[in-house]
Amino acid sequence: QTVVTQEPSFSVSPGGTVTLTCGLTSGSVSTAYYPSWYQQTPGQAPRALIYNTNTRSSGVPDRFSGSILGNKAALTITGAQADDESHYYCVLYIDSGIWVFGGGTKLTVL
Amino acid sequence: EVQLVESGGGSVQPGGSLRLSCAASGFTFYNYWMTWVRQAPGKGLEWVANINQDESEKYYVDSVKGRFTISRDNAKNSLYLTMNNLRVEDTAVYYCVTFRGSNWFDPWGQGTLVTVSS
Repeated sequence: QTVVTQEPSFSVSPGGTVTLTCGLTSGSVSTAYYPSWYQQTPGQAPRALIYNTNTRSSGVPDRFSGSILGNKAALTITGAQADDESHYYCVLYIDSGIWVFGGGTKLTVL
Repeated sequence: EVQLVESGGGSVQPGGSLRLSCAASGFTFYNYWMTWVRQAPGKGLEWVANINQDESEKYYVDSVKGRFTISRDNAKNSLYLTMNNLRVEDTAVYYCVTFRGSNWFDPWGQGTLVTVSS
């Protein structure tokens, strides 16, 4: 069974830069997995941030960027702000129409 | 404005059934694949099922295969999830999501809560 991995938690200082990653328990993530990233604040529905590895969704600030770093997909927040404190989820296309979300990263800004 | 509004959630006993609905507006519903994603209380997101525009392609996470059926009515701009033989572990908020470009999920509805408990 394919498992998508994310850091359970991460902390960043206001104004700082943080990179969250999205990997596989076996194998490397590439653009062929169509990684996308979602932000969810408590009590709210998720919203799309990044799709197709590195394309920002409409209205998403350019401090959010996506990439492939090594064997993982990555979400980088440059100049973190207080309202970036959220849960962040990645999702990967695995095969045969199947998609798998990572477990999510809880980002704290302090 | 694009809107997805889920309904049909509620409490049900194990082994029971529910049918979730999602009313779509503000976009050409019949042009898009659609998705159900769920989130158990305090847990992460789980992709549940996708359906293409004419219902000729449907995909499910293994844990719901044979129990859940995704369907749509393009004339009514509606997406459905029929859930049978429900289990305690199916307890979650179920989100209706537009599946764009065949590779990302946006926008999301506000979700409907399904609770399976005896």
